[in-house]
Amino acid sequence: NAGVTQNPKFQVLKTGQSMTLQCAQDMNHNSMYWYRQDPGMGLRLIYYSASEGTTDKGEVPNGYNVSRLNKREFSLRLESAAPSQTSVYFCASSEIKGYTEAFFGQGTRLTVV
Amino acid sequence: TQLLEQSPQFLSIQEGENLTVYCNSSSVFSSLQWYRQEPGEGPVLLVTVVTGGEVKKLKRLTFQFGDARKDSSLHITAAQPGDTGLYLCAGAGNFNKFYFGSGTKLNVKP
Repeated sequence: NAGVTQNPKFQVLKTGQSMTLQCAQDMNHNSMYWYRQDPGMGLRLIYYSASEGTTDKGEVPNGYNVSRLNKREFSLRLESAAPSQTSVYFCASSEIKGYTEAFFGQGTRLTVV
Repeated sequence: TQLLEQSPQFLSIQEGENLTVYCNSSSVFSSLQWYRQEPGEGPVLLVTVVTGGEVKKLKRLTFQFGDARKDSSLHITAAQPGDTGLYLCAGAGNFNKFYFGSGTKLNVKP
């Protein structure tokens, strides 16, 4: 049982390049999330998908787009990478069962030079 | 501006000491979670508290949810080097959205 799987684990981009971060979960969860983690900032929500077919902006959506491809997969796209997007990106999923708990992937370490 | 404020940001203590980490907000949450994160890994859920005033114990860790469901604390008794890590609190809001605190980096020296 893999849980939440993210690819790639590491990536270096040049300013202006584009890329897609992949995320898949095998827990049959309805909700999925993308966070970024910067030193001293904790995790900040970029986008989330409450259920298949829906997406919505979080706290820091500028410069990103998302696609909820199906119930399992939720991708994050950087159309034109900027050095300010250097960060560690985490995908998470959750299911409501009276209360909500999130399960995280291992992260993608992205450097934009 | 962080919705959830954690304190202290950093904590370096000797093995065997006790410590408390605080998580405060002006917002009410339906539940609050505590996560622990090790370097190079994603956060791992420790506990969820749901009811105002609730206290949960996980071995040497004690978690408390404030009566008004706006704040929480994590108390570790007799800390061990294996407790070293980043501790994050997260509040669950509408539509399954989680808001995280900035984290408390704990270092327990042997």
